[in-house]
Amino acid sequence: DTGVSQDPRHKITKRGQNVTFRCDPISEHNRLYWYRQTLGQGPEFLTYFQNEAQLEKSRLLSDRFSAERPKGSFSTLEIQRTEQGDSAMYLCASSWTFQADTQYFGPGTRLTVL
Amino acid sequence: EDKVVQSPLSLVVHEGDTVTLNCSYEVTNFRSLLWYKQEKKAPTFLFMLTSSGIEKKSGRLSSILDKKELFSILNITATQTGDSAVYLCAVERAGGTSYGKLTFGQGTILTVHP
Repeated sequence: DTGVSQDPRHKITKRGQNVTFRCDPISEHNRLYWYRQTLGQGPEFLTYFQNEAQLEKSRLLSDRFSAERPKGSFSTLEIQRTEQGDSAMYLCASSWTFQADTQYFGPGTRLTVL
Repeated sequence: EDKVVQSPLSLVVHEGDTVTLNCSYEVTNFRSLLWYKQEKKAPTFLFMLTSSGIEKKSGRLSSILDKKELFSILNITATQTGDSAVYLCAVERAGGTSYGKLTFGQGTILTVHP
């Protein structure tokens, strides 16, 4: 399978715990995006990378959220001290630079915070 | 702040009907508008419309962009039960690091009954 993969697919955690999600983009794609999607809403942009450089992180929802892409390949999104409002689907996408129509989405990680 | 509004929020039709989904937008320095289909998993790309490509067609699906009035429509003719999904509209800004960063609408839930 050469698509975007995300791990885990589902995560249930208790409020206050830290969680980390992983995204593996399509291998030749140098841009990687993180979105959050809550029930009944479209995806909401969080942050993105070009290779290992994080181009924008102002949309990360709070300082509890952080993302890395250390070697320009896979990326991780960490949420510290989770809250019930963090429950959502976290989507990762990758693309060639400047080509929005080649932005392929992964299956997402569904987070439930109890 | 870029804004995308889709209507209707939900639509129920019978197989064979034709549907029109609407998307209006406000974006600084518009580059493109994209349509996606989402079925309980990752969004999949349908069309991208730009200043140089304001009308697209693929099989039973077609879309147009009105840059003057800032809206787009997605038409689906002869609907089938497999068309049941959430249809998402997104806009992309031009310029620098904005390329590829998408702002989504809330989606239209289409249900096609046999």
